[in-house]
Amino acid sequence: SQQGEEDPQALSIQEGENATMNCSYKTSINNLQWYRQNSGRGLVHLILIRSNEREKHSGRLRVTLDTSKKSSSLLITASRAADTASYFCATDLSGYALNFGKGTSLLVTP
Amino acid sequence: SAVISQKPSRDICQRGTSLTIQCQVDSQVTMMFWYRQQPGQSLTLIATANQGSEATYESGFVIDKFPISRPNLTFSTLTVSNMSPEDSSIYLCSVERARQETQYFGPGTRLLVL
Repeated sequence: SQQGEEDPQALSIQEGENATMNCSYKTSINNLQWYRQNSGRGLVHLILIRSNEREKHSGRLRVTLDTSKKSSSLLITASRAADTASYFCATDLSGYALNFGKGTSLLVTP
Repeated sequence: SAVISQKPSRDICQRGTSLTIQCQVDSQVTMMFWYRQQPGQSLTLIATANQGSEATYESGFVIDKFPISRPNLTFSTLTVSNMSPEDSSIYLCSVERARQETQYFGPGTRLLVL
């Protein structure tokens, strides 16, 4: 069964704006990872945040994790057309494989 | 990171036939997994490919339909057997060097069954 649920399912913004995607999950986790997928291709790993971390940054990406609310958010600042893709959160339950959410489809228009 | 290749990148197959997908990693890894992504859907884990032993399958997936091999720490194959149009999906392998670390994905194999 799917552990994570992204919100919103679809997001449309203009270049230069910020995009925020949220992920909620149901059970305790060891870590949470965010991935990007362009047009049905392979997944590109964006960032991993561990259960004892609250925030991580990587370039224009900022990820937060609130284990008390069982939620995470991905913020993309100053978005570009090249950021158009589907974004998935995935949780690692017990050092095993990943459980993926349904994804957020992001469209960035020039 | 890990460099992962998959072959074939895409294929169109007739129902009733089988297709074997290969996954090659540029270095030894502890864990290898196979996922399926049906059209417009998220990823679902098929199985964990265990080196030197039988794969561990998730609920809803069986060895007869999806036989998996992992002869060493850098290579694995997934066979989709007796295919039907419902098997049309993207099949992705992923690797993890150590537990609870980043999982990296291959480029995927896009399969269409007619």
